[in-house]
Amino acid sequence: SAVISQKPSRDICQRGTSLTIQCQVDSQVTMMFWYRQQPGQSLTLIATANQGSEATYESGFVIDKFPISRPNLTFSTLTVSNMSPEDSSIYLCSVDDTPSGYTFGSGTRLTVV
Amino acid sequence: SQQGEEDPQALSIQEGENATMNCSYKTSINNLQWYRQNSGRGLVHLILIRSNEREKHSGRLRVTLDTSKKSSSLLITASRAADTASYFCAPAGFQKLVFGTGTRLLVSP
Repeated sequence: SAVISQKPSRDICQRGTSLTIQCQVDSQVTMMFWYRQQPGQSLTLIATANQGSEATYESGFVIDKFPISRPNLTFSTLTVSNMSPEDSSIYLCSVDDTPSGYTFGSGTRLTVV
Repeated sequence: SQQGEEDPQALSIQEGENATMNCSYKTSINNLQWYRQNSGRGLVHLILIRSNEREKHSGRLRVTLDTSKKSSSLLITASRAADTASYFCAPAGFQKLVFGTGTRLLVSP
């Protein structure tokens, strides 16, 4: 199954700044997915990142706040822009490894102060 | 929506007992997956059951799927303290995976 390297594993950021999270996959994948997990909550899909096209965002998430890049089939970044304390969450990337299910990165724990 | 709803939200049992978690969903699915998450870290895939399957086993895990009732269950037999984690069902539709609300399982020695 795929192996994902996600960076950074955690960060503490000042409000109003931006953080870019990177995910590197050890194989080529068509789609990569970005999730947010707020404290004590389940995972919420932010967007689906396709190589060579704009990311597809879920309801409640917009490109200006969460710009995504997908320069090739093994790499993607998610930026959390103009952060506020409400953005404090764990952010995870994943790929579809069916029939083995989805494989997830180890997550980025973001705290905004 | 495609999101699953899990029951119970929290479950506390003793080692050696069985743990059962239930998941209900509302839309048609291609498959349904179960995941485990330890201490807010990355998720680990446990088992995938396809929409044309009714039951699947993997080690101490048993998953059932009833598409007529749009429900699934995860049974962990002979639980261990190491099974303490959050468990999520994920009904899989077209090209995306949406997670349920989760069950927090605590297994006490």
